[in-house]
Amino acid sequence: LAKTTQPISMDSYEGQEVNITCSHNNIATNDYITWYQQFPSQGPRFIIQGYKTKVTNEVASLFIPADRKSSTLSLPRVSLSDTAVYYCLVGASFSGGYNKLIFGAGTRLAVHP
Amino acid sequence: NAGVTQTPKFRVLKTGQSMTLLCAQDMNHEYMYWYRQDPGMGLRLIHYSVGEGTTAKGEVPDGYNVSRLKKQNFLLGLESAAPSQTSVYFCASRRLNQETQYFGPGTRLLVL
Repeated sequence: LAKTTQPISMDSYEGQEVNITCSHNNIATNDYITWYQQFPSQGPRFIIQGYKTKVTNEVASLFIPADRKSSTLSLPRVSLSDTAVYYCLVGASFSGGYNKLIFGAGTRLAVHP
Repeated sequence: NAGVTQTPKFRVLKTGQSMTLLCAQDMNHEYMYWYRQDPGMGLRLIHYSVGEGTTAKGEVPDGYNVSRLKKQNFLLGLESAAPSQTSVYFCASRRLNQETQYFGPGTRLLVL
């Protein structure tokens, strides 16, 4: 399973765009890249997932370069409520018939007024 | 539609006691998982299940047992609790052929 590396913490201010980059040099051909968000005392929540190029939903965008060895989660115009831990995960559901996600320590994003 | 629920929310145990954590999902998901999360760390997979009546070990299975007698329920058991099992336990489920896992609110366990 591909190991991921992401910054331990980041700080931002309300209204700014935040980009969190994740490195996954050993990503396999079948692996997807998934980002989860976790607030204190809650379980992680799915944000976005992609395989290559760019994916956008109502919450975030995910940019994946052609070599897929890294990915960037982009949060537009963050607010205080975006303060959370963000996890980058790499894995494939269908290899071996199960979804074995490896959670690292994540990136603690603090949004300031 | 409650999603994934966990019982209890908080529990204090003495070393050597046993207990069972219950996870229930009403989304008819095939896959279910138990994770533990220690302070400042990510989640680690304890056990998982790919369907009713089947279970398998994850990264940190020692000291835990699981059962999935019904599709909607996944039980995590601690036969003889140890202080090292003090943690927050999360249950998750997902649909077959979909990547997204849905997590419960967690169970905070303190073993004295």
